[in-house]
Amino acid sequence: QVQLRESGPGLVKTSETLSLTCAVSGGSISPYYWSWIRQTPEKGLEWIGFIFYSGTTHYNPSLKSRVTMSVDTYNDQLSLRLTSVTAADTAVYHCARHAGAMTAFDKWGPGTVVTVSS
Amino acid sequence: EIVLTQSPATLSVSPGEGATLSCRASQSVNSNLAWFQQMPGQAPRLLISGASTRATGFPARFSASGSGTEFTLTISSLQSEDFAVYYCQQYYDWPLTFGGGTKVEIK
Repeated sequence: QVQLRESGPGLVKTSETLSLTCAVSGGSISPYYWSWIRQTPEKGLEWIGFIFYSGTTHYNPSLKSRVTMSVDTYNDQLSLRLTSVTAADTAVYHCARHAGAMTAFDKWGPGTVVTVSS
Repeated sequence: EIVLTQSPATLSVSPGEGATLSCRASQSVNSNLAWFQQMPGQAPRLLISGASTRATGFPARFSASGSGTEFTLTISSLQSEDFAVYYCQQYYDWPLTFGGGTKVEIK
């Protein structure tokens, strides 16, 4: 049974870079798509973007200028970088798996809380 | 961007009663719509894909229908473990978007 687990610093300073990792266990990174999704009580669920196991990416235009995703197929890990963060980036960040670019997310990680503060 | 509007925001239901949740899309998403169930403090869990296909592990009291812009999730005879927040999500066009959720609470 595949499991996803997000990790990273719980607190990031305003204007700095948020870096998160998603570890995949019990299954392989390939041949899946992997999305990052964030959740806040105010804005709900927001799709950040996806990365294919081959490295192809597609980002939400609203965040595209600040987002970079990468994949480490050797260690079955995914990474998310979000630059120039503000308080509006405070959220629970989830990674999720999907079989195709346009298919439903069939497995989610529990999420990691990130707070942005000066 | 496709906007998904869920209604009602909150639904108060007694155990054993049924519930009907709605999701409306600002433009057609064909059948590229999923429903998720989220319990407090947990990740969303895929409940329905392709607008009407129930995911493994969910009982038959969950059913869904719709296509285009109008979608419905029906829970017949609510059990205690069904009280949660339900989200719809479209995967027809970029960016992928979610509805605001419907909280199903105990009446």
